[in-house]
Amino acid sequence: GAVVSQHPSWVICKSGTSVKIECRSLDFQATTMFWYRQFPKQSLMLMATSNEGSKATYEQGVEKDKFLINHASLTLSTLTVTSAHPEDSSFYICSAAPGLATGELFFGEGSRLTVL
Amino acid sequence: AQTVTQSQPEMSVQEAETVTLSCTYDTSESNYYLFWYKQPPSRQMILVIRQEAYKQQNATENRFSVNFQKAAKSFSLKISDSQLGDTAMYFCAFMKHPTQGGSEKLVFGKGTKLTVNP
Repeated sequence: GAVVSQHPSWVICKSGTSVKIECRSLDFQATTMFWYRQFPKQSLMLMATSNEGSKATYEQGVEKDKFLINHASLTLSTLTVTSAHPEDSSFYICSAAPGLATGELFFGEGSRLTVL
Repeated sequence: AQTVTQSQPEMSVQEAETVTLSCTYDTSESNYYLFWYKQPPSRQMILVIRQEAYKQQNATENRFSVNFQKAAKSFSLKISDSQLGDTAMYFCAFMKHPTQGGSEKLVFGKGTKLTVNP
């Protein structure tokens, strides 16, 4: 199956700093990428949808200025957590769609963020 | 808006036995996809099975099969000959049918934690 890679897989940062997480589709072009957040023992919560070359669409309640999403190319989307605080500590997962209208979505391995 | 409900927070089964995980959903869409994803302790999301709503035949993938009841909006997952490696969180998910060249978001249920006991 298609491969989606997330980097870093885990990151620890100090409160007030910014952290960037990358999501790459390695063997296909992803017209759409999705970013999810998952708290321990909970389900995945969609944060935003990004389409290549356009602004991300954020879900209600997600702070656009805190979670900056950029989808600059058909193989790369980035999530930047700005001025991170301990409550931003979570597991972040991206998924990418090849845009074939087939319902296919491929998930990255996830990134665990810990803010001290 | 679509919703997905998984009413069993936790389930357990003995190795080699069969277990069924329940999922119901609510939508006004007529064409959509339904999925079961597995999330083992590694947290990597793994697609178990996918069902297209316009197909009446239930999807199967080796030991995994679904019972798709469109009128009842029910989509249960049956795991036969359970193996220790099946221990994981299982998420039921809904996606409305994408438009040409696009993709739609997945709406997830809250998940069922399945433990396979030796």
